[in-house]
Amino acid sequence: GEQVEQRPPHLSVPEGDSAVIICTYTDSATAYFYWYKQEPGAGLQLLMSVFSNVDRKEEQGLTVLLNKKDKQLSLNLTAAHPGDSAVYFCAVSWATGGNNKLTFGQGTVLSVIP
Amino acid sequence: EAAVTQSPRSKVAVTGGKVTLSCHQTNNHDYMYWYRQDTGHGLRLIHYSYVADSTEKGDIPDGYKASRPSQENFSLILELASLSQTAVYFCASSDPGLGQDTQYFGPGTRLLVL
Repeated sequence: GEQVEQRPPHLSVPEGDSAVIICTYTDSATAYFYWYKQEPGAGLQLLMSVFSNVDRKEEQGLTVLLNKKDKQLSLNLTAAHPGDSAVYFCAVSWATGGNNKLTFGQGTVLSVIP
Repeated sequence: EAAVTQSPRSKVAVTGGKVTLSCHQTNNHDYMYWYRQDTGHGLRLIHYSYVADSTEKGDIPDGYKASRPSQENFSLILELASLSQTAVYFCASSDPGLGQDTQYFGPGTRLLVL
């Protein structure tokens, strides 16, 4: 079945530095890609979504890159601040005849050090 | 803003007991999902539903039942709770008819089985 591998599992960066999280997926079919943020004790908050025909998307200090050749999805937080400290998940939804289930990566615990 | 609520927010249950987790959405979405989250893992799909009075098995349905009595409500039932079912459970809803199937998550229910 479809799989998503996410790395690194833990990431610490000084405030103002960038943070990069990468997900590798297995299936090349048409898909939607998502990045979610989970703060302690809270549910998942959608950060950004991209369709498979998009290579790059930027919103509010976040950049998502989709490398279809290498089957990689990345999230780049530019100039990270302490409020960005959270767990980040990538997720993929493959367009397989109406089954809209998400396959999640394992998560990355991001710590931004003041 | 999408609204998905879950109850209870936390629960302690005894092994062999019955547990019911409830989810309510006011988004008028057709699809609803139940996921579990374990440390070191992303979210894994237990059951989902795309219409009232119908449920489908996800990736890890064993030991769980689901009930969708109305479009707004989706319950997860553990008939005989086991230690291995200690986890955080998330409910989500989505509307694939909008083209991009973004899932909106509830705040989660932390279940401890003793």
